[in-house]
Amino acid sequence: DIVVTQSPDSLAVSLGERATINCKSSQSVLYTSNNKNSLAWYQQKPGQPPKLLIYWASTRESGVPDRFSGSGSGTDFTLTISSLLAEDVAVYYCQQYYSTPITFGQGTRLEIK
Amino acid sequence: QVQLVQSGAEVKKPGASVKVSCKASGYTFTTYYIHWVRQAPGQGLEWMGIISPSDGSTSYAQKFQGRVTMTRDTSTSTVYMEVSSLRSEDTAVYHCARGEYSNRPFDYWGQGTLVTVSS
Repeated sequence: DIVVTQSPDSLAVSLGERATINCKSSQSVLYTSNNKNSLAWYQQKPGQPPKLLIYWASTRESGVPDRFSGSGSGTDFTLTISSLLAEDVAVYYCQQYYSTPITFGQGTRLEIK
Repeated sequence: QVQLVQSGAEVKKPGASVKVSCKASGYTFTTYYIHWVRQAPGQGLEWMGIISPSDGSTSYAQKFQGRVTMTRDTSTSTVYMEVSSLRSEDTAVYHCARGEYSNRPFDYWGQGTLVTVSS
């Protein structure tokens, strides 16, 4: 199984500042058929299901604000929120969908400082 | 618009079984895989398995092998997930989610079904 580990577990950022969340997979998730990394990011607010933000490590899902961006390759990935808004308070998960069992990071709780 | 609508909350006793449904609409049912993911209270996301609505083939996480069964009914565009021999540790919100292929991200999720296992 591919183990996915996020850091930090929690993060407090001031409104308007940058938030950065890291994700590391225990093995490469590079999908050779399209040369893209099988890594997604989700946002989950209380009482709601997760919402897809980023896939193929850096492709923004339709309708997701451009302050959200993803980067990285191989085994190391990053989700960046360029200028934090109050509505971005949530738990963020990374996910590898390269192989089953599909696995998620443990989540990062993002709060306002 | 794409929707995955799940059945309502359940309360079960230890040792019992529960069957949760996930009704799809707004797209061609047989062209997307359905995954099941559970989330224990205050915890993270745990992938349980996947079903192909096209041919009914399934793949389960090893942890759930022998205790989870996923089925589908193409006439009603509904997927079912049954968990048997319930124990208190199975108390969780169970989500269905859609993926274009087995190795693609989950672009739509059901609202979740809370299953509480308590004596």
